[in-house]
Amino acid sequence: SQTIHQWPATLVQPVGSPLSLECTVEGTSNPNLYWYRQAAGRGLQLLFYSVGIGQISSEVPQNLSASRPQDRQFILSSKKLLLSDSGFYLCAWRRRDSHYGYTFGSGTRLTVV
Amino acid sequence: QQQVKQSPQSLIVQKGGISIINCAYENTAFDYFPWYQQFPGKGPALLIAIRPDVSEKKEGRFTISFNKSAKQFSLHIMDSQPGDSATYFCAASKAYSGAGSYQLTFGKGTKLSVIP
Repeated sequence: SQTIHQWPATLVQPVGSPLSLECTVEGTSNPNLYWYRQAAGRGLQLLFYSVGIGQISSEVPQNLSASRPQDRQFILSSKKLLLSDSGFYLCAWRRRDSHYGYTFGSGTRLTVV
Repeated sequence: QQQVKQSPQSLIVQKGGISIINCAYENTAFDYFPWYQQFPGKGPALLIAIRPDVSEKKEGRFTISFNKSAKQFSLHIMDSQPGDSATYFCAASKAYSGAGSYQLTFGKGTKLSVIP
């Protein structure tokens, strides 16, 4: 069966510090991978998606970047965090060739102080 | 054309009542309509989904009603329970075309509170 792992679960970082959030998927190959951000009490904002190794599409220009160094690994990064980067970050995957919905990870609660 | 409009933003229902959440879309190329349930501090989880070739799909207490001509679909939760209290997101996507990524377009969510 397929599983998605996301860590850390919570993170408190000072303004100006770097960020690295990691997401890995097991039990599948060539998944589509997604990073979403959810502000408190708000909807889901698509940040990045990837259809393959090294292929990243950005939906919202901002202080964040994403990378996909391996087929089932997706990393969200920032060189210098802003207060506005606080939020709940969700990784998700979807089978490339199917019509199924996303499977989301358990999320990372990031607080920038 | 890529938007999915969801209403209401919040909903309070008595235990045992029916919760109804509505979504509308514009893009007629959408052909997959899932609903997600999210509990506080957790990632959204797929609850139920429908394709436009059927007008209704039922799984337990959860039913999706789909009106293709009106470009609307809704989630009905029968016999609502306090454990159903969560945020619900509708979504839509286009058919897989064999190339690239096809994304889900999400509604803004409905916070459901079921009170005893």
